[in-house]
Order: sequence, then structure tokens, then C-alpha cells
Amino acid sequence: KAGVTQTPRYLIKTRGQQVTLSCSPISGHRSVSWYQQTPGQGLQFLFEYFSETQRNKGNFPGRFSGRQFSNSRSEMNVSTLELGDSALYLCASSPREAGELFFGEGSRLTVL
Amino acid sequence: EDKVVQSPLSLVVHEGDTVTLNCSYEVTNFRSLLWYKQEKKAPTFLFMLTSSGIEKKSGRLSSILDKKELFSILNITATQTGDSAIYLCAVENNNAGNMLTFGGGTRLMVKP
Repeated sequence: KAGVTQTPRYLIKTRGQQVTLSCSPISGHRSVSWYQQTPGQGLQFLFEYFSETQRNKGNFPGRFSGRQFSNSRSEMNVSTLELGDSALYLCASSPREAGELFFGEGSRLTVL
Repeated sequence: EDKVVQSPLSLVVHEGDTVTLNCSYEVTNFRSLLWYKQEKKAPTFLFMLTSSGIEKKSGRLSSILDKKELFSILNITATQTGDSAIYLCAVENNNAGNMLTFGGGTRLMVKP
């Protein structure tokens, strides 16, 4: 069974640009969550989708947005990038509405 | 606001040693506490502890949950170099779907 797949794995952007990250959950998993990981702040929750509906949103500015498609694949978008957005963005899926999360390898974003 | 604090921040031991990692938490409506191991990118699930399962064991790793004192410990016996990783503790709130609140992690280095 394939794990959580995230693309791209690495990307470099400049300030002011926007970026879209993609996540394919484990087959059959309907919940997809996104986390930002930085050395200073650790793992912080961005948002969670279940059956195409955003159920929870973390304390991030409106520049961070996401969506989930009918096949459970999810994308997150960050607009008007800032240097502080440089981070590892982790996607996780779960087969249930609550329970352990299975993480992908992450997308490493560097903003110059 | 839910909160998780892990200690120590980092730890260096030699192969064969036993280590204890600590996790204290505050959560408004506790559902579960989870432990993850992060070696390079993707955190991998270790244990989930709930009100009905306050002690878990898998090989050399074991964990207990003290719901009264609001803490958990992760024990690793007979450590090996492959145990070197960041160990993350997280709590799940009954009111928050799959949104996990993570601690800052404990970085464990096991020397040969």
C-alpha cells in the first residue's frame, strides 16, 4: 500500500511569489491535514480536510489556503511568500475522523 | 489553548543505555496522546495512548500515560544507533478532529 505522497519534494521561491503544494493520501483515507515544521516553532497545524470540507484551521494568516478534491487529494497554497514561510510542509492522512496520522516525506520550501 | 511540553530538549547516550523521554500536556478535552519518531523527514507513528489504553509496549519501546498528572513518558531500553531521531509527542482534542498539538520534540543521539 503506497504511503502519503507529496510533491514537489523541494522548491525554491522568491519573496512575493506564490506556491502550490500537493498531497496524495493513502488510498481510502478521507482526512488530510497539513503541518508546517520549522526549527524555531516545531510542528504547527495549518488545516485539516475531511470529505472535501475544511474542518479545522490553525493560526496562520489568510495567505495560507487549501482544498481537498473528491478523490481525497489535497493542495495547499501560499500566496505572497515571505522569508519566514521557509519550512518543511508536511501532509498527513488518516482513515478516520480522528486517530493516528500517517505523514508524507514533506515539501521543503525555501524562500529567498 | 492546548499545549505540549517535552523534555529534555536533547539527549546523548551510548548504545545499550536506557532513556526516558518526558511529555507534559494541557488539553481542554483530551482524546489521546501520540508519540512519533522523526528521523529525516516523515514522522512515523509509535504509540497512541487513550483513557482506555494507558500503557503500550513494542519491543524495546514502551510508553505510559498518567491522565491525572497530565504527562506521558517514552522509554527506550538497550538503545541502538538506529534509535537516533527526534521524538515527538502530540495530543488530540476531542473537539478538533485530526488536529494534533505537538511538543517541540526531544532530539536523541545514540553513540556507538
